Amino acid sequence: SYVLTQPPSVSVAPGQTARITCGGNNIGSKSVHWYQQKPGQAPVLVVYDDSDRPSGIPERFSGSNSGNTATLTISRVEAGDEADYYCQVWDSSSDHFWVFGGGTKLTVL
Amino acid sequence: QVQLVQSGAEVKKPGSSVKVSCKASGGTFSSYTISWVRQAPGQGLEWMGRIIPILGIANYAQKFQGRVTITADKSTSTAYMELSSLRSEDTAVYYCARVKGAGSSWYDYWGQGTLVTVSS
Repeated sequence: SYVLTQPPSVSVAPGQTARITCGGNNIGSKSVHWYQQKPGQAPVLVVYDDSDRPSGIPERFSGSNSGNTATLTISRVEAGDEADYYCQVWDSSSDHFWVFGGGTKLTVL
Repeated sequence: QVQLVQSGAEVKKPGSSVKVSCKASGGTFSSYTISWVRQAPGQGLEWMGRIIPILGIANYAQKFQGRVTITADKSTSTAYMELSSLRSEDTAVYYCARVKGAGSSWYDYWGQGTLVTVSS
């Protein structure tokens, strides 16, 4: 089945830019979606279809996808952005139609 | 605005079953696809299965085949996930989520989660 690989953790100082990667075989041919999850809460969609933002998500959140890597970029990081972030694709050939990466803990220093 | 409200926390014995509900409001329930995703303590998200209420069709991850049953009641706009033969490794928060998009799809609304604890 299709595998998505994320770094376990990323650290960044407030005001800087955080980049969280999601690796997969030819992931650039798929649409990638990103979720933010804070402790004790359900995930929240922050980017869909590689780079689109749902209503209410700040422009500081952006995404890109090419080759074997998709990236979630968070500009001007704030303390409130500290959370776990998960990438996700839909893969019809996979047993798990909806495939998630293992998640990345973003720490704001 | 779509809302998914799940049933409350459960404590179950090993070998028993649990049934979690997910009541939807807003939108047209029968046109949704609802997935169930679980998250073990300190772990990531794991897709379990989905149901298309208007068709009454459910699909399951192979890992859960034979142990999970997902159903939907269109009259009450409620989806259910029943997991049987529970073991300690099934201790997790179980989420329902609405599928959005055609082809490559994502989850735009999530339930608040239901903690299921399996313990003797």
